Amino acid sequence: DIQMTQSPSSVSASVGDRITITCRASQGITTWLAWYQQKPGKAPKLLISAASSLQSGVPSRFSGTGSGTDFTLTISGLQPEDVATYYCQQANRFPLTFGGGTKVEIK
Amino acid sequence: EVQLLESGGGLVQPGGSLRISCAASGFSFSTYAMNWVRQAPGKGLEWVSGISNRGGSTYYADSVKGRFTISRDNAKNTVYLQLNSLRAEDTAVFYCARASTVTTFHFEFWGQGTLVTVSS
Repeated sequence: DIQMTQSPSSVSASVGDRITITCRASQGITTWLAWYQQKPGKAPKLLISAASSLQSGVPSRFSGTGSGTDFTLTISGLQPEDVATYYCQQANRFPLTFGGGTKVEIK
Repeated sequence: EVQLLESGGGLVQPGGSLRISCAASGFSFSTYAMNWVRQAPGKGLEWVSGISNRGGSTYYADSVKGRFTISRDNAKNTVYLQLNSLRAEDTAVFYCARASTVTTFHFEFWGQGTLVTVSS
């Protein structure tokens, strides 16, 4: 199985800051990587697919990069509505696997 | 508009069984694979199971293999998950999820979830 390791597990930053979340796969997954945002009590929301493809309607302050085993999600200009937990997911092969999540808070 | 509506969750004793369902609408159901993802209280997301568009292929997480069975009825636009030999650690919100396209395995569409509680 492909293990997905996310870091950090939590981050606290000020409004307007740039934050970066990393996700590492235990083996190469080319660009079969998705990022999700989940707010409390809600279903996850797909932000980015294929490592860097922004979903329609997602603000351009969100961006994703990477290929192979190392990936990043960047929020450029943190907003109060970005408070949430973020997950990566490998979509390369079954069993599909998620990272452990990164909780983003505002200082 | 794509809609996924889960049902069937509830309280069940350890060792018991439950079948949860996901009714889909707003798209050609028989074209897409369907999946179940769960989330234990206060924990992260865990993919549980997937089924191909016609039901010929099924996939499971190691944690549920041999205990859970996924199936679908394309005439009823519904996917099911049969949960057997339930354990306390199976307590979770179970989400039904559909990928963006027929050939990808990231999830653009999610239901609201159904809560399964395993407790005596």
